[in-house]
Amino acid sequence: DVKVTQSSRYLVKRTGEKVFLECVQDMDHENMFWYRQDPGLGLRLIYFSYDVKMKEKGDIPEGYSVSREKKERFSLILESASTNQTSMYLCASSPPLTTIAKNIQYFGAGTRLSVL
Amino acid sequence: AQSVTQPDIHITVSEGASLELRCNYSYGATPYLFWYVQSPGQGLQLLLKYFSGDTLVQGIKGFEAEFKRSQSSFNLRKPSVHWSDAAEYFCAVGARVNTGKLIFGQGTTLQVKP
Repeated sequence: DVKVTQSSRYLVKRTGEKVFLECVQDMDHENMFWYRQDPGLGLRLIYFSYDVKMKEKGDIPEGYSVSREKKERFSLILESASTNQTSMYLCASSPPLTTIAKNIQYFGAGTRLSVL
Repeated sequence: AQSVTQPDIHITVSEGASLELRCNYSYGATPYLFWYVQSPGQGLQLLLKYFSGDTLVQGIKGFEAEFKRSQSSFNLRKPSVHWSDAAEYFCAVGARVNTGKLIFGQGTTLQVKP
């Protein structure tokens, strides 16, 4: 079974802090994704990565950055956390783009971030 | 623009009753189609997927979904709901070209009455 692990389930930070959300997958997947989930808005894509050191902006990248130094790890960074970034953050991974299974995303349990 | 609409934000059904969750999409071609389920405090789990072929697809936990091209719909069904099915359900579409990205609907929260 694919395992996607997010380092924290709950996180409380102060406004202006730099926040790191970590995600690790164990299936050697090329693709990794960061979403935020808010009630009534579904999942919105923040950033994704097709390979090590490669990243592309999603639909709502403002206020976020990412890092992918190793294939199995994809980090989401909030450079200066703000209260409107309080949300549930979900990480996902998927197989290579050359396979039909590329669209099957496997999700971590999520990190609920509160910014005070 | 590509989009996914789940018209029902909340649905309440009695245990043992049948269930249908609606999903409509707007897309330039036939996309890949997915249903995911999210139990409270958990990540998303894939219920079923449609890539091609038979338009009625079976998934885990007794769920099925039917792709109707003429209606741009991919509704999720279950003949008899169990209390453990209470969760949030997301419909998603993916492009057949090489992007790997999914577009998700807003989600439908299912409540099951005893």
